[in-house]
Amino acid sequence: AQTIHQWPVAEIKAVGSPLSLGCTIKGKSSPNLYWYWQATGGTLQQLFYSITVGQVESVVQLNLSASRPKDDQFILSTEKLLLSHSGFYLCAWSLDEQYFGPGTRLTVL
Amino acid sequence: GDQVEQSPSALSLHEGTGSALRCNFTTTMRAVQWFRKNSRGSLINLFYLASGTKENGRLKSAFDSKERYSTLHIRDAQLEDSGTYFCAAERGSGYNKLTFGKGTVLLVSP
Repeated sequence: AQTIHQWPVAEIKAVGSPLSLGCTIKGKSSPNLYWYWQATGGTLQQLFYSITVGQVESVVQLNLSASRPKDDQFILSTEKLLLSHSGFYLCAWSLDEQYFGPGTRLTVL
Repeated sequence: GDQVEQSPSALSLHEGTGSALRCNFTTTMRAVQWFRKNSRGSLINLFYLASGTKENGRLKSAFDSKERYSTLHIRDAQLEDSGTYFCAAERGSGYNKLTFGKGTVLLVSP
């Protein structure tokens, strides 16, 4: 069975500090991977997608970056957090149907 | 951009009754997914449809790509069905970009 993990579960960070969120998928080879973000009260929107290792495409510009260093790992990061980065971050995988991880709640103060 | 219009935004049902949620699409979509938000805020998969209808217990979903809509029917609603439901559709242009609706908050009361 496929499992998807995200870390950390929650994070409180200062404006201007760096951020790294992680996602791993086990039990599925070469899935498409996605990062989504939802601001409080907002609609879930896709940020990045990756079809293969080392390849990431940006969908929405939010001063964030993403990398896929391994087939089963997807990383979301920034060197300088903004207040507007607060929200809920979801990682997902798919072959056809998309499946979502448990999410990371980020608060930027 | 692609738009997914979900309605109603809120729905109240008494136990044992039923209703439908609907998503209209501004363009032709290849497939639709329906989700329910869990207590942590993540998404539980309910249905994935590329066409036609699917049923699972008291839930049934339909997708008409040509008419640009999808529905989620709930029958014999139970208290535990309360929660937030989302539809999301993909246009199928090279990768699975899901565009989400704004959600429906369902409250089932005794």
